[in-house]
Amino acid sequence: QAGLTQPPSVSKGLRQTATLTCTGNSNNVGDQGAAWLQQHQGHPPKLLSYRDNNRPSGISERLSASRSGNTASLTINGLQPEDEADYYCSAWDSSLSVWVFGGGTKLTVL
Amino acid sequence: EVQLLESGGGLVQPGGSLRLSCAASGFIFSNYAMTWVRQAPGKGLEWVSAISGSGRNTYYADSVKGRFTISRDNSKNTLYLQMNSLRAEDTAIYYCAKDTGAFDIWGQGTLVTVSS
Repeated sequence: QAGLTQPPSVSKGLRQTATLTCTGNSNNVGDQGAAWLQQHQGHPPKLLSYRDNNRPSGISERLSASRSGNTASLTINGLQPEDEADYYCSAWDSSLSVWVFGGGTKLTVL
Repeated sequence: EVQLLESGGGLVQPGGSLRLSCAASGFIFSNYAMTWVRQAPGKGLEWVSAISGSGRNTYYADSVKGRFTISRDNSKNTLYLQMNSLRAEDTAIYYCAKDTGAFDIWGQGTLVTVSS
């Protein structure tokens, strides 16, 4: 069960914009869309967006998600120190009937 | 308040068994699919297993198929993961999560260590 592909790390400056990517295939990201999760060290993951660009209540409007074909993206505007975390994408694979995760991207705010 | 609380983790020898529990509160448990996700030390998230709201449908990652069994007791608002034939590579924090088409609520996790 191959996972989704995310870059291992992204570094951006304070108040800059970071765009994280997540690539799957037509059976997962391309079909069902992706969800994005944030995880700070020592804490459980937290849902940031689902079905491409739906934000749960309480999630900052600085975050937006999108999808183009089999690639999902998470954009974080006006980077703050608290945005420094690991970010994971996930999607349901309708062909394999399994959930798949990306390997995670470590976002560093310089 | 919507809450999930895992329990049952611990140290177990290779080949041993363990049963994890996840107590849910603050929502109508039977209305939602539930899932288990694990995270090995210093590694990323790995989906383990999922179960439909009724319990009729279950799904497993290849890495645990035939060894782990997911179940739920909707009368007790509790999710379970029976883990048999445990291996060193099963060592991880195990999280339960509420599934609304995405994992919107997570527990704090319970640590499972497989070692002799």
